[in-house]
Amino acid sequence: DAKTTQPNSMESNEEEPVHLPCNHSTISGTDYIHWYRQLPSQGPEYVIHGLTSNVNNRMASLAIAEDRKSSTLILHRATLRDAAVYYCILRDFYNAGNMLTFGGGTRLMVKP
Amino acid sequence: DVKVTQSSRYLVKRTGEKVFLECVQDMDHENMFWYRQDPGLGLRLIYFSYDVKMKEKGDIPEGYSVSREKKERFSLILESASTNQTSMYLCASSFTGMGKGYEQYFGPGTRLTVT
Repeated sequence: DAKTTQPNSMESNEEEPVHLPCNHSTISGTDYIHWYRQLPSQGPEYVIHGLTSNVNNRMASLAIAEDRKSSTLILHRATLRDAAVYYCILRDFYNAGNMLTFGGGTRLMVKP
Repeated sequence: DVKVTQSSRYLVKRTGEKVFLECVQDMDHENMFWYRQDPGLGLRLIYFSYDVKMKEKGDIPEGYSVSREKKERFSLILESASTNQTSMYLCASSFTGMGKGYEQYFGPGTRLTVT
């Protein structure tokens, strides 16, 4: 399985944008890029996913490099509630079982 | 709203006891998963099921078994609990393939302590 590399931790100020990077240099053509986050004392929750084009939803934006070897999750205005561990995961399109392999993720700390 | 519920938030069991962790989802998902989460090791897949009575081993199935008699319910069984099975257990569910949806929905977790 293609691997992802994320910084262990990042810090942000409340109400400022946050850019969470993810490197996936061995990504294959059929790998989707998924992001999940895990708030304290909760199970992970889906944030966003994409294949080649940038994606936006109500929670975040996903910017994918042209060569797809890296991506960035963008939180436009961080709130204290966004403090969580963010996981970048590659999922093969042909993985009908929807299995996910979680790495270490990035712990985002948001300062008031 | 999709809901995945787990039978207990906290559980304390003794070494050697048989332990049942129950998970129920209400979205008619085909796939269900059991993970455990430990500090420094992240989430690791124990077992998953893609249909009733079907199961597949994940990365760390040793010491565990599962049961899926109904589509909405997936049970994780520790036949003889040991202290190294003290962990946070997370259940998840999803549709099959990309056509109907792709997200895994997670329950709140069960923190199991084996003494």
